Amino acid sequence: GQQLNQSPQSMFIQEGEDVSMNCTSSSIFNTWLWYKQDPGEGPVLLIALYKAGELTSNGRLTAQFGITRKDSFLNISASIPSDVGIYFCAPRTGNQFYFGTGTSLTVIP
Amino acid sequence: DGGITQSPKYLFRKEGQNVTLSCEQNLNHDAMYWYRQDPGQGLRLIYYSQIVNDFQKGDIAEGYSVSREKKESFPLTVTSAQKNPTAFYLCASSLQSTSGGPIPYNEQFFGPGTRLTVL
Repeated sequence: GQQLNQSPQSMFIQEGEDVSMNCTSSSIFNTWLWYKQDPGEGPVLLIALYKAGELTSNGRLTAQFGITRKDSFLNISASIPSDVGIYFCAPRTGNQFYFGTGTSLTVIP
Repeated sequence: DGGITQSPKYLFRKEGQNVTLSCEQNLNHDAMYWYRQDPGQGLRLIYYSQIVNDFQKGDIAEGYSVSREKKESFPLTVTSAQKNPTAFYLCASSLQSTSGGPIPYNEQFFGPGTRLTVL
């Protein structure tokens, strides 16, 4: 299977702080997706990236598709308690989606 | 509203029994997927289907079976051959990558999940 590395594995931050997480791979992808999963629920799509170098924002979230098409990062600015959850990167090639192991985010009020 | 539904939300099964998890979507998506998620883990692909009456094994297909008789439905059967079936099961769907048309044709949408516990 594809080698996909997501880091960090977990983060504990104070409310109001910024967060950064990333995914890297040895393979090239056509699309990078970022999801958030709340406990006991299905993942919800946050941001989709379709072109190398693309930088996209969705409210306090910003994500970029790496120029080499092998990596992506997700930033969350001014974190709030409802940002708590597990964040997954999910690059796509063809009809196959690959998932990182997730970054567990805890926001301390 | 369009979306993906999975039922039931919680399922308990006795060891040695087969059980079928339901997944329905009304998004008119061609492709459907089943994933397994264990505590603290990422998603692992069990089976996927790109078109009606066709499906392919994912990374961990052993002990599972699927059918795709209708575009809207992709049920997953967890058989007694699955050695460690207790997990959270997620169904997803997407348009085919060859569907063309406007973005977002590359996005995958998930159902709410079914938590299966084997007693």
